[in-house]
Amino acid sequence: NAGVTQTPKFRVLKTGQSMTLLCAQDMNHEYMYWYRQDPGMGLRLIHYSVGEGTTAKGEVPDGYNVSRLKKQNFLLGLESAAPSQTSVYFCASTPLDDSNYGYTFGSGTRLTVV
Amino acid sequence: GEDVEQSLFLSVREGDSSVINCTYTDSSSTYLYWYKQEPGAGLQLLTYIFSNMDMKQDQRLTVLLNKKDKHLSLRIADTQTGDSAIYFCALDTGGFKTIFGAGTRLFVKA
Repeated sequence: NAGVTQTPKFRVLKTGQSMTLLCAQDMNHEYMYWYRQDPGMGLRLIHYSVGEGTTAKGEVPDGYNVSRLKKQNFLLGLESAAPSQTSVYFCASTPLDDSNYGYTFGSGTRLTVV
Repeated sequence: GEDVEQSLFLSVREGDSSVINCTYTDSSSTYLYWYKQEPGAGLQLLTYIFSNMDMKQDQRLTVLLNKKDKHLSLRIADTQTGDSAIYFCALDTGGFKTIFGAGTRLFVKA
Protein backbone atom coordinates (compact mmCIF):
# COMPACT_ATOMS: atom_id res chain seq x y z
CA ASN A 1 0.00 0.00 0.00
CA ALA A 2 1.20 3.48 -0.85
CA GLY A 3 -0.66 5.02 2.12
CA VAL A 4 -1.04 8.79 1.71
CA THR A 5 0.55 10.35 -1.36
CA GLN A 6 1.00 14.09 -1.82
CA THR A 7 1.91 15.93 -4.99
CA PRO A 8 3.91 17.99 -5.67
CA LYS A 9 6.70 17.63 -3.11
CA PHE A 10 8.08 21.12 -3.70
CA ARG A 11 6.70 24.26 -5.30
CA VAL A 12 7.65 27.91 -5.57
CA LEU A 13 4.87 30.38 -6.29
CA LYS A 14 4.80 34.08 -6.90
CA THR A 15 2.51 36.19 -4.77
CA GLY A 16 -0.97 36.15 -6.26
CA GLN A 17 -0.58 32.89 -8.15
CA SER A 18 -2.88 29.95 -7.54
CA MET A 19 -2.23 26.26 -7.15
CA THR A 20 -3.76 23.01 -5.99
CA LEU A 21 -2.11 20.48 -3.71
CA LEU A 22 -3.19 16.92 -4.30
CA CYS A 23 -3.61 14.22 -1.68
CA ALA A 24 -4.55 10.63 -2.39
CA GLN A 25 -4.99 7.72 0.03
CA ASP A 26 -5.52 4.07 -0.81
CA MET A 27 -6.54 2.83 2.65
CA ASN A 28 -10.28 3.50 2.26
CA HIS A 29 -10.09 5.99 5.11
CA GLU A 30 -13.20 8.05 5.68
CA TYR A 31 -11.58 11.13 7.23
CA MET A 32 -8.97 13.33 5.60
CA TYR A 33 -7.15 16.42 6.82
CA TRP A 34 -4.85 19.21 5.66
CA TYR A 35 -2.31 20.61 8.11
CA ARG A 36 0.43 23.18 7.81
CA GLN A 37 3.70 23.00 9.68
CA ASP A 38 5.69 26.12 10.49
CA PRO A 39 9.04 26.37 12.33
CA GLY A 40 8.69 26.31 16.11
CA MET A 41 4.99 25.58 15.94
CA GLY A 42 2.95 22.44 16.05
CA LEU A 43 0.84 21.34 13.14
CA ARG A 44 -2.23 23.47 12.58
CA LEU A 45 -5.39 22.14 10.99
CA ILE A 46 -6.50 24.00 7.86
CA HIS A 47 -9.52 22.02 6.67
CA TYR A 48 -10.80 18.51 7.08
CA SER A 49 -13.36 16.16 5.56
CA VAL A 50 -15.49 13.49 7.21
CA GLY A 51 -16.50 11.90 3.94
CA GLU A 52 -16.91 12.25 0.21
CA GLY A 53 -18.56 15.54 -0.68
CA THR A 54 -18.11 17.09 2.77
CA THR A 55 -15.55 19.57 4.06
CA ALA A 56 -15.17 21.66 7.20
CA LYS A 57 -12.95 24.47 8.44
CA GLY A 58 -10.14 23.86 10.85
CA GLU A 59 -8.06 26.22 12.93
CA VAL A 60 -6.50 28.29 10.10
CA PRO A 61 -8.78 28.06 7.02
CA ASP A 62 -8.43 31.59 5.62
CA GLY A 63 -6.89 31.77 2.16
CA TYR A 64 -7.49 28.08 1.44
CA ASN A 65 -10.25 26.05 -0.14
CA VAL A 66 -10.70 22.29 -0.31
CA SER A 67 -12.69 19.71 -2.18
CA ARG A 68 -13.41 16.01 -1.62
CA LEU A 69 -15.10 14.85 -4.80
CA LYS A 70 -13.85 11.30 -4.39
CA LYS A 71 -13.33 9.42 -1.14
CA GLN A 72 -9.68 8.76 -1.87
CA ASN A 73 -8.73 12.34 -2.85
CA PHE A 74 -8.58 15.56 -0.88
CA LEU A 75 -7.50 18.72 -2.70
CA LEU A 76 -6.19 21.91 -1.11
CA GLY A 77 -6.37 25.08 -3.17
CA LEU A 78 -4.69 28.44 -2.80
CA GLU A 79 -6.52 30.98 -4.94
CA SER A 80 -4.12 33.89 -4.46
CA ALA A 81 -0.93 32.86 -2.73
CA ALA A 82 0.65 35.10 -0.09
CA PRO A 83 4.12 34.93 1.52
CA SER A 84 2.40 34.01 4.82
CA GLN A 85 1.38 30.74 3.18
CA THR A 86 5.00 29.66 2.86
CA SER A 87 4.96 26.43 4.84
CA VAL A 88 5.12 22.67 4.70
CA TYR A 89 1.70 21.16 4.05
CA PHE A 90 0.73 17.71 5.24
CA CYS A 91 -2.24 15.65 4.31
CA ALA A 92 -3.42 12.95 6.70
CA SER A 93 -6.20 10.41 6.96
CA THR A 94 -7.89 8.27 9.59
CA PRO A 95 -10.39 5.41 9.33
CA LEU A 96 -14.05 5.72 10.26
CA ASP A 97 -14.15 3.03 12.91
CA ASP A 98 -11.48 4.18 15.33
CA SER A 99 -9.37 7.29 15.30
CA ASN A 100 -7.31 6.22 18.27
CA TYR A 101 -4.69 4.77 15.98
CA GLY A 102 -3.72 8.28 15.07
CA TYR A 103 -3.19 9.78 11.68
CA THR A 104 -1.46 8.41 8.62
CA PHE A 105 0.47 11.31 7.12
CA GLY A 106 1.78 11.99 3.65
CA SER A 107 5.38 13.06 3.16
CA GLY A 108 4.49 16.72 2.76
CA THR A 109 4.57 19.53 0.19
CA ARG A 110 7.08 22.30 0.78
CA LEU A 111 5.60 25.53 -0.60
CA THR A 112 7.48 28.80 -0.91
CA VAL A 113 5.64 31.97 -1.89
CA VAL A 114 7.90 34.80 -3.06
CA GLY B 1 -7.42 27.50 24.92
CA GLU B 2 -5.72 24.17 24.70
CA ASP B 3 -1.94 24.21 24.63
CA VAL B 4 0.78 21.58 24.34
CA GLU B 5 4.35 22.46 25.25
CA GLN B 6 7.58 20.63 24.56
CA SER B 7 11.22 21.56 24.92
CA LEU B 8 12.74 22.23 21.50
CA PHE B 9 15.99 20.26 21.70
CA LEU B 10 17.44 17.21 23.41
CA SER B 11 20.92 15.78 22.92
CA VAL B 12 21.96 12.33 24.16
CA ARG B 13 24.81 9.89 23.58
CA GLU B 14 24.23 6.70 21.68
CA GLY B 15 23.26 3.92 24.07
CA ASP B 16 21.84 6.26 26.71
CA SER B 17 18.15 6.69 27.43
CA SER B 18 16.25 9.68 26.05
CA VAL B 19 13.33 11.26 27.84
CA ILE B 20 11.15 13.68 25.91
CA ASN B 21 8.63 15.62 27.94
CA CYS B 22 5.30 17.23 27.12
CA THR B 23 2.92 19.29 29.23
CA TYR B 24 -0.62 20.16 28.27
CA THR B 25 -3.55 22.19 29.50
CA ASP B 26 -6.58 20.28 28.19
CA SER B 27 -7.79 17.59 30.58
CA SER B 28 -10.47 16.06 28.38
CA SER B 29 -8.21 14.21 25.96
CA THR B 30 -9.05 10.57 25.38
CA TYR B 31 -5.92 9.64 23.52
CA LEU B 32 -2.41 11.05 23.69
CA TYR B 33 0.09 10.34 20.96
CA TRP B 34 3.75 10.45 20.14
CA TYR B 35 4.77 10.97 16.52
CA LYS B 36 8.22 10.84 14.96
CA GLN B 37 9.28 12.98 11.98
CA GLU B 38 12.46 12.20 10.10
CA PRO B 39 14.00 14.77 7.74
CA GLY B 40 11.91 15.36 4.63
CA ALA B 41 9.19 12.99 5.75
CA GLY B 42 5.74 13.17 7.24
CA LEU B 43 4.89 12.38 10.83
CA GLN B 44 4.78 8.72 11.74
CA LEU B 45 2.75 7.45 14.69
CA LEU B 46 5.10 5.92 17.26
CA THR B 47 2.74 5.05 20.06
CA TYR B 48 -0.34 6.23 21.90
CA ILE B 49 -1.80 5.94 25.37
CA PHE B 50 -5.36 6.04 26.60
CA SER B 51 -6.13 8.72 29.14
CA ASN B 52 -7.11 6.07 31.73
CA MET B 53 -3.61 4.53 31.64
CA ASP B 54 -0.51 5.59 33.53
CA MET B 55 2.09 3.75 31.52
CA LYS B 56 2.51 1.93 28.26
CA GLN B 57 5.58 0.02 27.13
CA ASP B 58 6.34 -0.95 23.57
CA GLN B 59 9.79 -2.48 23.04
CA ARG B 60 12.29 0.37 23.59
CA LEU B 61 9.54 2.95 24.10
CA THR B 62 7.91 3.76 27.44
CA VAL B 63 5.13 6.32 27.71
CA LEU B 64 4.28 7.76 31.11
CA LEU B 65 1.14 9.80 31.76
CA ASN B 66 0.66 11.89 34.88
CA LYS B 67 -2.87 13.22 34.63
CA LYS B 68 -2.67 15.19 37.85
CA ASP B 69 0.29 17.22 36.58
CA LYS B 70 -0.87 17.04 32.91
CA HIS B 71 2.49 15.65 31.93
CA LEU B 72 3.30 13.11 29.23
CA SER B 73 6.74 11.66 28.59
CA LEU B 74 8.37 9.37 26.07
CA ARG B 75 11.40 7.36 27.11
CA ILE B 76 13.56 5.73 24.46
CA ALA B 77 15.87 3.09 25.86
CA ASP B 78 19.28 2.39 24.28
CA THR B 79 18.98 5.39 21.96
CA GLN B 80 20.47 4.83 18.50
CA THR B 81 21.56 7.29 15.82
CA GLY B 82 18.51 6.22 13.83
CA ASP B 83 16.36 7.70 16.58
CA SER B 84 17.53 11.21 15.62
CA ALA B 85 14.36 12.99 14.55
CA ILE B 86 11.70 15.42 15.73
CA TYR B 87 9.21 13.99 18.21
CA PHE B 88 5.74 15.47 18.50
CA CYS B 89 3.35 15.10 21.38
CA ALA B 90 -0.33 15.31 20.32
CA LEU B 91 -3.65 15.23 22.13
CA ASP B 92 -6.98 14.14 20.72
CA THR B 93 -9.45 16.60 22.21
CA GLY B 94 -12.43 15.22 20.29
CA GLY B 95 -14.47 16.65 17.45
CA PHE B 96 -11.73 16.00 14.87
CA LYS B 97 -9.41 18.24 16.77
CA THR B 98 -5.91 17.10 17.61
CA ILE B 99 -3.51 19.55 19.24
CA PHE B 100 0.17 19.13 18.38
CA GLY B 101 3.16 20.36 20.30
CA ALA B 102 5.93 22.21 18.45
CA GLY B 103 8.15 19.12 18.49
CA THR B 104 11.39 18.16 20.25
CA ARG B 105 14.45 17.67 18.04
CA LEU B 106 16.46 14.73 19.34
CA PHE B 107 20.17 14.65 18.52
CA VAL B 108 21.97 11.37 19.11
CA LYS B 109 25.76 11.63 19.35
CA ALA B 110 27.78 8.57 18.33
